[in-house]
Amino acid sequence: GAVVSQHPSRVICKSGTSVKIECRSLDFQATTMFWYRQFPKQSLMLMATSNEGSKATYEQGVEKDKFLINHASLTLSTLTVTSAHPEDSSFYICSPRGSHLDTQYFGPGTRLTVL
Amino acid sequence: GENVGLHLPTLSVQEGDNSIINCAYSNSASDYFIWYKQESGKGPQFIIDIRSNMDKRQGQRVTVLLNKTVKHLSLQIAATQPGDSAVYFCAEPPGNTPLVFGKGTRLSVIA
Repeated sequence: GAVVSQHPSRVICKSGTSVKIECRSLDFQATTMFWYRQFPKQSLMLMATSNEGSKATYEQGVEKDKFLINHASLTLSTLTVTSAHPEDSSFYICSPRGSHLDTQYFGPGTRLTVL
Repeated sequence: GENVGLHLPTLSVQEGDNSIINCAYSNSASDYFIWYKQESGKGPQFIIDIRSNMDKRQGQRVTVLLNKTVKHLSLQIAATQPGDSAVYFCAEPPGNTPLVFGKGTRLSVIA
């Protein structure tokens, strides 16, 4: 399967600070990137979809000014949680998809804890 | 919205026994399905897929069965091991739109 990396794997930050999460597709070009988050004992919830070079489309209830997504290249996408608050503590997972692939692969996830 | 759903939220299996995880789907036009495994603290991992022109597909210790008549999928894990403990999701890649996940089935392996 495809190799996807996320960095950092874990981050703890103070309330009000911003955190950037990087997602890289290492062996294929991700024309589309999906970002999910997962709260404890819950399923993955889609936050946003971005196509390379375009603005992201956000799901209902997800604040676009709070969760900034950059998908400037086919191998790298970033999610920045701005002015993080404790309720943003979650497991964030990226999911790149190439133009020729049916399959969505997933990154290993980033555990964000906001104090 | 969701096109697939899961019958059971939890499943406990004795180590060495076989596990069967079930999944129902609603779209009779669906032609491709994937099973994912998510271990605690990790992202979902692709396990096995099946296309609608097949009834069965086997991998290493895993078998997926597809019954198009009743729109049902199952994932069978042979000789279940502690490392198989995880949440399992079935998914139907809906073309250009993203995967929407159901709750998943949590498999617990009893040593």
